Amino acid sequence: DIQMTQSPSSLSASVGDRVTITCRASQSISTYLNWYQQKPGKAPKLLMYTASSLQSGVPSRFSGSGSGTDFTLTISSLQPEDFATYFCQQSYTTPYTFGQGTKLDIK
Amino acid sequence: EVQLVGSGGGLVQPGSSLRLSCAASGFTFDDYAMHWVRQAPGKGLEWVSGISWNSGSIGYADSVKGRFTISRDNAKNSLYLHMNSLRAEDTAFYYCAKDSRGTVAGTKGFDYWGQGTLVTVSS
Repeated sequence: DIQMTQSPSSLSASVGDRVTITCRASQSISTYLNWYQQKPGKAPKLLMYTASSLQSGVPSRFSGSGSGTDFTLTISSLQPEDFATYFCQQSYTTPYTFGQGTKLDIK
Repeated sequence: EVQLVGSGGGLVQPGSSLRLSCAASGFTFDDYAMHWVRQAPGKGLEWVSGISWNSGSIGYADSVKGRFTISRDNAKNSLYLHMNSLRAEDTAFYYCAKDSRGTVAGTKGFDYWGQGTLVTVSS
């Protein structure tokens, strides 16, 4: 199975900050990388697909990049509603593994 | 509006069986692959199983292979997960999720998710 490793596991930041979360795959996955946001008690929400495509309805302050094994999710200017946990997911091959998550909280 | 409503969870003993259901509405169900993803309380996400639009392609996580069976009824706009030989480590919220494409392979992400149904396996 492809292992997905996110860093950091947790992150404290302030409204207006620029933050970057990284995700590394244990083998090349081309650009088959998706990002999700999850708030407590809620289902995950798709933010980005195929590494850099913004899901419909997601604010443009979110962006993604990368290919092969290294990927990043960037939030250009944090808003209060962005404090949540973020997961990456490889969709190169089944089983579709997720990263362990990055919890973003308010500094 | 796309809606995915999961049901069928509950408290069961180790070794028992359970069937989860997911009722879909607001989109053309038989155009899209569907998946089950689980999350143990306070833990990360684990893809469990996926099924293509016509049930022609199915995949499972190694942790459930041989014990769980995914199926769908396109006439009823419903997705199912039959779970046998349940273990304590199967305790989790189970989410049904809609794929953005019709095939399990090469997904571009799961664009809609149900609210999750809790399965607790305990004696």
